[in-house]
Amino acid sequence: GAGVSQTPSNKVTEKGKYVELRCDPISGHTALYWYRQSLGQGPEFLIYFQGTGAADDSGLPNDRFFAVRPEGSVSTLKIQRTERGDSAVYLCASSLAGKTDTQYFGPGTRLTVL
Amino acid sequence: KQEVTQIPAALSVPEGENLVLNCSFTDSAIYNLQWFRQDPGKGLTSLLLIQSSQREQTSGRLNASLDKSSGRSTLYIAASQPGDSATYLCAVRELETSGSRLTFGEGTQLTVNP
Repeated sequence: GAGVSQTPSNKVTEKGKYVELRCDPISGHTALYWYRQSLGQGPEFLIYFQGTGAADDSGLPNDRFFAVRPEGSVSTLKIQRTERGDSAVYLCASSLAGKTDTQYFGPGTRLTVL
Repeated sequence: KQEVTQIPAALSVPEGENLVLNCSFTDSAIYNLQWFRQDPGKGLTSLLLIQSSQREQTSGRLNASLDKSSGRSTLYIAASQPGDSATYLCAVRELETSGSRLTFGEGTQLTVNP
């Protein structure tokens, strides 16, 4: 079956612009996660959804970052007033339900802020 | 705060060699530990997941062990092949987080030379 997909695969934007990154989880997975990976580092947790609600958004770095999952499937990560330090690969993962389940990752969106 | 460390940061070996990758974590109150593989420009592929009650998991040429009390895990790769070249990441899922986030190490970059 289809895995986790993310669009776009690459996004180049200018400082101060608004961007949206999309994640399509594996069908039937209720849990969805966003992580951010800087060059040479491991991924860092941003936010976790269980169904439609954000169960844990403690990893979001500041209020310029926001994510939604209105129907409990597709999720969008939104970044306002982008800064050069936001440049990274943004990874999405989904799992069937909760803590016992393997997280399956998408290929990521590489965001470059000029 | 949980910290995950991976040693070595990079490793280069000739084909056919058996090798061990190390992962340590500072807080032993974990739910499980997961090893991932990441190819350049790609997302993460889950290799093995060890629940906190388990000591090891095996899949083909891969064997992962977990010593929760000492905060350590190892990934053993037998008879390495050039196709094993990738970055290997370990991640822990903590008991205390409601969102079941993963905390990652920085990875070990493995090169297997033919």
